[in-house]
Amino acid sequence: AQRVTQPEKLLSVFKGAPVELKCNYSYSGSPELFWYVQYSRQRLQLLLRHISRESIKGFTADLNKGETSFHLKKPFAQEEDSAMYYCALKMNNAGNMLTFGGGTRLMVKP
Amino acid sequence: DAGVIQSPRHEVTEMGQEVTLRCKPISGHDYLFWYRQTMMRGLELLIYFNNNVPIDDSGMPEDRFSAKMPNASFSTLKIQPSEPRDSAVYFCASSPRFSSYEQYFGPGTRLTVT
Repeated sequence: AQRVTQPEKLLSVFKGAPVELKCNYSYSGSPELFWYVQYSRQRLQLLLRHISRESIKGFTADLNKGETSFHLKKPFAQEEDSAMYYCALKMNNAGNMLTFGGGTRLMVKP
Repeated sequence: DAGVIQSPRHEVTEMGQEVTLRCKPISGHDYLFWYRQTMMRGLELLIYFNNNVPIDDSGMPEDRFSAKMPNASFSTLKIQPSEPRDSAVYFCASSPRFSSYEQYFGPGTRLTVT
């Protein structure tokens, strides 16, 4: 069965420091990976997907099939990045169903 | 567009009572998902529908939970009887079509069972 693991429930960094939110997955097929974000008092929303290979709000994520990872990175964290981040996996032939990880709360301190 | 609408936004009830959560997906979306969010377990998929038909309910915790989608614009998640361990935030999300990569989430319902 597919599984998404985010090993850190809480990650605290200072403003301007690099940040990396870890995500590992297990799936025998070829997955699509996503990062969703929930800012305070806002809805959970898509941040980025691995297929697009784009940078959103300074964040990037590279799919590493060898290590089955999809870590989210940003070189210089900002206070407004503080939020709950979820990594998600979409399987082949599973409609639009997503499997989410447990989430990591990122706190960026001034 | 108001996006996915959920009601109520907050619900406080006593153990043993029936709880009904409601969701209105974005018009035209084919998929509807119910999730539960807790500190311990993160975001768990409970059930999802495609064109009003339940496709996968393997995430529904037990028989106390049931979900329906009588038409394309309305879904309910019911807990009967409720227990304190059901306390969580319940999210509804919708998605427009097969192979679409984005789910659109509602604001959630915070349920507290005392």
